[in-house]
Amino acid sequence: QQPVQSPQAVILREGEDAVINCSSSKALYSVHWYRQKHGEAPVFLMILLKGGEQKGHEKISASFNEKKQQSSLYLTASQLSYSGTYFCGTEPFYTGTASKLTFGTGTRLQVTL
Amino acid sequence: NAGVMQNPRHLVRRRGQEARLRCSPMKGHSHVYWYRQLPEEGLKFMVYLQKENIIDESGMPKERFSAEFPKEGPSILRIQQVVRGDSAAYFCASCTGVGEQYFGPGTRLTVT
Repeated sequence: QQPVQSPQAVILREGEDAVINCSSSKALYSVHWYRQKHGEAPVFLMILLKGGEQKGHEKISASFNEKKQQSSLYLTASQLSYSGTYFCGTEPFYTGTASKLTFGTGTRLQVTL
Repeated sequence: NAGVMQNPRHLVRRRGQEARLRCSPMKGHSHVYWYRQLPEEGLKFMVYLQKENIIDESGMPKERFSAEFPKEGPSILRIQQVVRGDSAAYFCASCTGVGEQYFGPGTRLTVT
């Protein structure tokens, strides 16, 4: 079943913060976050593994709450380049090797001046 | 280090024709995934392959669609007798077998 992302869309002014949530009805082993600009390929942002680890680089970070089967992506001090559609991709269990991702519904983020 | 390559980038086919989409994974990656994306929608898994093996094809339509990843050469997604509903962006992604998947630029298929 497809993970549900919220909000569906958000408009920010440059410098503002945003949180994007990804919720699954199934137990998760990992959550992958991607950003896709219109007409382009999804770009990998980060991966979180079971264990509640929080990751981040520069002004983008993420957390993974395995009990709630939920991940959140945090964008701080947003820049114009952050605009795009954000997708989470989930893996339900560990198979010993990488497996297919089930992608969420997507969150459209627009950063304006 | 070249990224994931896909060709063609754009493909126009008439109903009933065949479409062949190619994907060359990143150097060192032996796992390939194909995803389909309809306009304004998310990515839907189609098939997962390793060299000469189909690992998971649970997302592939039962008819007209096939995929392969031969020992030598790119992975190929083949759609026979295309219909208008096949119009979409087809992305492939590759990985080493553990961790993140890296996506190619996609092939935009238009069926007229």
